[in-house]
Amino acid sequence: EIVLTQSPGTLSLSPGERATLSCRASQSVSSSYLAWYQQNPGQAPRLLIYGASSRATGIPDRFSGSGSGTDFTLTISRLEPEDFAVYYCQQYGSSLTFGGGTKVEIK
Amino acid sequence: EVQLVESGGGLVQPGGSLRLSCAASGFTFSSYSMNWVRQAPGKGLEWVSYISSGSSIIYYADSVKGRFTISRDNAKNSLYLQMNSLRDEDTAVYYCARDRGFGGITYYFDYWGQGTLVTVSS
Repeated sequence: EIVLTQSPGTLSLSPGERATLSCRASQSVSSSYLAWYQQNPGQAPRLLIYGASSRATGIPDRFSGSGSGTDFTLTISRLEPEDFAVYYCQQYGSSLTFGGGTKVEIK
Repeated sequence: EVQLVESGGGLVQPGGSLRLSCAASGFTFSSYSMNWVRQAPGKGLEWVSYISSGSSIIYYADSVKGRFTISRDNAKNSLYLQMNSLRDEDTAVYYCARDRGFGGITYYFDYWGQGTLVTVSS
């Protein structure tokens, strides 16, 4: 099973700042089959990124994904108030696993 | 508009059973594989089960294998999860989610329901 480790656990930033979230896999993720989700409190997860770098429908371009192999990054270029949430990565190259999440909180 | 609406959650004693439902609308349900994903209180996401569009391919997480059964009724645009021999650690919000994969391969999930809470406690 591929284990995904997300870091940091919590990211404290101010609106307008840049956020960089990391997702590291225990083995190479084939074909960059990695997705990112955003979850606000009390809500269902929302798909942001799939295929490591493709934005899902309706996702603002301040969200971008990059990486390959075992190291992946989600970048939010300028944080908006609604972006303070928990973010999960998920790999689907070998079965399916989720990372433990990164919470982006207001500093 | 794609909508997934779960129901059937509630309080159940350890060893008990519960059946969750997910009503789908706004898309051709019979064309998509579906999944159940759960989230324990204050914890992360855990994939539970997958079913292909025609029900021919089914997968379960090891943690629920032999206790949970996934099924679907394409005529009713509905997904189900029969949960038996429930344990304390099954307490979670259960989400149904649409899969963008095909042919028995799970991909990413582009639409999720709002979830239904299952509490296993005596």
